[in-house]
Amino acid sequence: SAVISQKPSRDICQRGTSLTIQCQVDSQVTMMFWYRQQPGQSLTLIATANQGSEATYESGFVIDKFPISRPNLTFSTLTVSNMSPEDSSIYLCSAPRGGGTEAFFGQGTRLTVV
Amino acid sequence: LAKTTQPISMDSYEGQEVNITCSHNNIATNDYITWYQQFPSQGPRFIIQGYKTKVTNEVASLFIPADRKSSTLSLPRVSLSDTAVYYCLVGLSGNTGKLIFGQGTTLQVKP
Repeated sequence: SAVISQKPSRDICQRGTSLTIQCQVDSQVTMMFWYRQQPGQSLTLIATANQGSEATYESGFVIDKFPISRPNLTFSTLTVSNMSPEDSSIYLCSAPRGGGTEAFFGQGTRLTVV
Repeated sequence: LAKTTQPISMDSYEGQEVNITCSHNNIATNDYITWYQQFPSQGPRFIIQGYKTKVTNEVASLFIPADRKSSTLSLPRVSLSDTAVYYCLVGLSGNTGKLIFGQGTTLQVKP
């Protein structure tokens, strides 16, 4: 079964700065996904990261705020740009497992913006 | 992707069987039903997936009636460590892992 490593696990950042979160999968996957989980809430899909092409963003999320890279089939990064306290959340990456609606998740990055 | 509705929270005691029901009235013919578990400070973890009737694994059972408009996750003899949020999702087989999460059910297991 695939393992997903995500880092950093947590960070405290100043408003106006940017943070890049890394996600490494131990096997090649076609697509990777980035989610946001605000305090006490469910997960919200930010975007789908496709290897070799631009990420596909969900409604309410834009590339300028959440640029994503996908340089190869095992790695992706999500940058949270020009952060504000409202960006304080847990950010998670995931990759599909087999078929259907199965996926592995990273342990998440807990971001606090002060 | 079909929308799901679950109870926001449930309480149980150690050793009891817990059944969490999820409604998905608009499920499509090709949709599968999947349940995830999330502990605090961790990413969600896949528990079980099914299409119809009953599926059982070492963790849980999933019961799906013939009309597939609902499903029930059954956790046998829960322990304190089963305290978590449980999410019900429906989606296409082979959808490459794109998941839309509902609100989930917070299960609190008490001693």
